[in-house]
Amino acid sequence: QVTLQESGPALVKPTQTLTLTCTFSGFSLATSGMGMNWIRQPPGKALEWIARIEWDDKKFYTTSLKTRLTISKDTSKDQVVLTMTNMDPVDTATYYCLLNADSWGQGILVTVSS
Amino acid sequence: EIVMTQTPLSLSVTPGQPASFSCKSSQSLPHGGGKTFLYWFLQRPGQSPQLLIYEVSSRWSGVPDRFSGSGSGTDFTLKISRVEAEDVGIYYCMQSTQFPYTFGQGTKLDIK
Repeated sequence: QVTLQESGPALVKPTQTLTLTCTFSGFSLATSGMGMNWIRQPPGKALEWIARIEWDDKKFYTTSLKTRLTISKDTSKDQVVLTMTNMDPVDTATYYCLLNADSWGQGILVTVSS
Repeated sequence: EIVMTQTPLSLSVTPGQPASFSCKSSQSLPHGGGKTFLYWFLQRPGQSPQLLIYEVSSRWSGVPDRFSGSGSGTDFTLKISRVEAEDVGIYYCMQSTQFPYTFGQGTKLDIK
């Protein structure tokens, strides 16, 4: 059974760096074809894809956030980490990890406020 | 970037009646190896999204057969043959043909 769990701070201050971790089980991200995505959803708004890391360590980012995002994986720990620099109140959102297209985490609400 | 446009933005349907959701892409979604990477998700109130349909028309495990997907090129459709109360929520399409992946803005379904 595939499970994914996001963790990180619920509150960050403007200009700070956000670090989110997706801890998963039930599969290996080292398996060919596997990829982990990060999706975010501001309150009351639509889903937005922001980053993906693939089994062979290829990384992809949404254009508007490319300079602020870093995605990485630790296969030995079954974790994927997303960092986002220079946080702003507009980055307030629920952040989800998504395995390929079929398994979602429960999400973590991150609020950016001083 | 491929823009995904969903219509309508909201839909109110009587239980037992059909519902149809449209998703149009700003560029044709090519089918590499015979596959078109167009997905449909349902986000029920207060929950994470869940996969309903993958590669345009394949139902994900456990998804009732009243859900069906179709389309090609730039036009895609999700249909519910007979709406049930549990179908309430927001339906999103997403393309993963080209980076960045993109979602539509969603169609909200409620029950009359």
